[in-house]
Amino acid sequence: DTAVSQTPKYLVTQMGNDKSIKCEQNLGHDTMYWYKQDSKKFLKIMFSYNNKELIINETVPNRFSPKSPDKAHLNLHINSLELGDSAVYFCASSHSGGWETQYFGPGTRLLVL
Amino acid sequence: KQEVTQIPAALSVPEGENLVLNCSFTDSAIYNLQWFRQDPGKGLTSLLLIQSSQREQTSGRLNASLDKSSGRSTLYIAASQPGDSATYLCAVSGSSNTGKLIFGQGTTLQVKP
Repeated sequence: DTAVSQTPKYLVTQMGNDKSIKCEQNLGHDTMYWYKQDSKKFLKIMFSYNNKELIINETVPNRFSPKSPDKAHLNLHINSLELGDSAVYFCASSHSGGWETQYFGPGTRLLVL
Repeated sequence: KQEVTQIPAALSVPEGENLVLNCSFTDSAIYNLQWFRQDPGKGLTSLLLIQSSQREQTSGRLNASLDKSSGRSTLYIAASQPGDSATYLCAVSGSSNTGKLIFGQGTTLQVKP
């Protein structure tokens, strides 16, 4: 049983397109996160939700919009994709907040051509 | 602004050696510190979490220490094995308890048989 799953695993698309990445966790956690890992392998947080409420909203272009339909799902929609959006996007979850271990999904490798 | 640095960036050792990975952070007001492992093309796996009130945590051959006042943590790996080859990431959680993790850029470890 996969604890934190993401779809798709790979995403190749053209500049200007709109795409979504889905994340689901079956751990019963209240908090979910999106991170971006760039070409230099540097990981940076983008967003977090606690029980469907936005908690962290880092300095991210407003082309990126997270959506949490319920506490087990956190999707990431990206409008008007740019070359610089190419990266690996990781979803993570934790039981409730900052003192808990975060569990990461396998990542979605996005390539914008 | 919190910054996390990991030294060395890469390390290659023969099998069986004991080794130490270093992590330093600029702001000592942290909630906890986590060590993760990332295998090529995979997600992150949490290894150890040290709360700010703790000095160390152990799991099997791994021991992580935390000196909050000096802004340092070390990950000690005993009797290294080829299966330990991976990138090791250190991350700190700020005092706001939002779950926001700030990552170092990692140490890539290769253990040669």
